[in-house]
Amino acid sequence: NAGVTQTPKFRVLKTGQSMTLLCAQDMNHEYMYWYRQDPGMGLRLIHYSVGEGTTAKGEVPDGYNVSRLKKQNFLLGLESAAPSQTSVYFCASSHGQGVSGELFFGEGSRLTVL
Amino acid sequence: AQKITQTQPGMFVQEKEAVTLDCTYDTSDPSYGLFWYKQPSSGEMIFLIYQGSYDQQNATEGRYSLNFQKARKSANLVISASQLGDSAMYFCAMSSRAGYALNFGKGTSLLVTP
Repeated sequence: NAGVTQTPKFRVLKTGQSMTLLCAQDMNHEYMYWYRQDPGMGLRLIHYSVGEGTTAKGEVPDGYNVSRLKKQNFLLGLESAAPSQTSVYFCASSHGQGVSGELFFGEGSRLTVL
Repeated sequence: AQKITQTQPGMFVQEKEAVTLDCTYDTSDPSYGLFWYKQPSSGEMIFLIYQGSYDQQNATEGRYSLNFQKARKSANLVISASQLGDSAMYFCAMSSRAGYALNFGKGTSLLVTP
């Protein structure tokens, strides 16, 4: 039972390079989310999706783009990476059936921008 | 706007003792959910316990209980009989209107000593 899978787990980029983080879930969840975690800041919501073909901005969306072309996948893109985007990125999913929906998290992707 | 506050950056507890991790929240929504997650040094996010705003009784899950005081807007996590494996970061979170994404506090680092 894979749950939520993120690839890659680690990546080092140079400033200005682009990359895409892939999140895949096998729980048939409608809702998916991308968070970033920085020391002392907790987790902050970047973008989220409430269904296939939909995306919406979270708390810290600048510098990121997302796509949800298939229900099971949620992609996070960095078009021109900056050192401020060095962080651990978490993908999560939920059934989205109200406030009681537990989020299921991937293992995280550690990104370093030099 | 919703806000989660965890005022204890770090806590120590001796093995087999109980410990309370504080969490206060602010929201104008009548319906909301409160969650606690554990993040061990390996980095994954582990769901511990959930409390709904309309739940009359405090939530319990094994050694974890949530001390929910609605009027004071607090949702403290109580861990009974601490174990060495409880050493981790603990995050309090609240479901938001943004696709039921969770707003996280900054976390409390718990160290359990022999």
